[in-house]
Parts: sequence; C-alpha cells; structure tokens
Amino acid sequence: EADIYQTPRYLVIGTGKKITLECSQTMGHDKMYWYQQDPGMELHLIHYSYGVNSTEKGDLSSESTVSRIRTEHFPLTLESARPSHTSQYLCASSEPRQGGNSPLHFGNGTRLTVT
Amino acid sequence: EDKVVQSPLSLVVHEGDTVTLNCSYEVTNFRSLLWYKQEKKAPTFLFMLTSSGIEKKSGRLSSILDKKELFSILNITATQTGDSAVYLCAAYQGAQKLVFGQGTRLTINP
Repeated sequence: EADIYQTPRYLVIGTGKKITLECSQTMGHDKMYWYQQDPGMELHLIHYSYGVNSTEKGDLSSESTVSRIRTEHFPLTLESARPSHTSQYLCASSEPRQGGNSPLHFGNGTRLTVT
Repeated sequence: EDKVVQSPLSLVVHEGDTVTLNCSYEVTNFRSLLWYKQEKKAPTFLFMLTSSGIEKKSGRLSSILDKKELFSILNITATQTGDSAVYLCAAYQGAQKLVFGQGTRLTINP
C-alpha cells in the first residue's frame, strides 16, 4: 500500500495570504495528482505530474500552481488565498503500469478554510 | 463532455441488508472503472474493473462492469455499520485522467 502524506491536515487562513500545501509519497511513484473536493461533491482534478519537472493543469480552473522537483514531493501553492478557495485538497499518486491503468492512492487531505 | 453518474446519491438501510450502488459513465477512450470508499478522510481503493462481465469480489463486497451498457454496480451483502461511507465511482479516460462521480452516501443503521 502506498504511503502518501499531506500537511497540514487543517488550515484556516486570511484572505490574501500565500499558502503551500505539502504532499509527499514514499513509494517512488512517478504519477502524482491534486484533486479538489467540496462537501458532497465529486473530486475535480486541478493538477497532475508524470514525473520530475513535468506538471499539467487539470480540468478545474485553478489559481494554484504546483512544482515537481523531486519524485517524492508535489507541493501545491496558492499565491493569494480567497474565500472561494475554501475546500478539501486531496493529493494522490499511482505507480506506472505498462499499457494499463493503476489505482490512485490518496493522502488524508488538507481541509482549507479562507476567511 | 466526460461524465460519471452515480445513483442513488444517498441510501439509508438497516444492518444486515444487501445494497446495490450504481455507476454509469460516458468517457471517451474508456479504459477502466474504479470504486473507492471514502469515510472521513482519504478515499480508499476497492476495485478496478477492466473487462466486461467478470465479477471482482472482496469479502462482502463485489462489483461488475458492463462495457456495452456503460455501467457498473457495487454490491454489499450483510451490511454492517462500518460500511457507512461515501462510495465513489471513477472512470479512466485514456491512460492518465480519472473522472469521478458525485458519490453515493450510504448509511447503515443498527
């Protein structure tokens, strides 16, 4: 089972602050993802990465940015937090599988509240 | 537009009942369908289905995929209060993109 860690678990921050949500995995997975999930709603992909120095935007328009300097680390940054950013952010990773898909393994999430 | 639709959105049953959760999908370049269980935190992986008509089973949970009719079901027999959770269905579009449904909130009453 993949070990994937997110910090902080909960964050309450004022409008306009810069924040970075951390995500690390210890399985050496090349693929990593950030999803946003509002209560009772589906997960929406906001960023993903196929490996070091590779990042792509997902379907959901997001004012966040990501970086992938090391395989195990995939932080997400909001330059200027707004109340509309209040949500749960889930990080995930998956192992490569030749010619097929593999399941995503999720971290416990960061619940962000912007006041 | 790619979409995954789950039904019902919410279900309340008594302990011991059997439940069936539904998932239909319209995803271009469909590859596989996954089921997750989400309690308070991270979704945890249950099944990945790639072939039509082959049932996957784990204890009291089982799932099957119908690629002709574009749907999947998740069955839970002899439900327990610990089965209470949101069950998420997701479909892979191609090799990289996983499209999630809204989830079914299942509540098991003792």
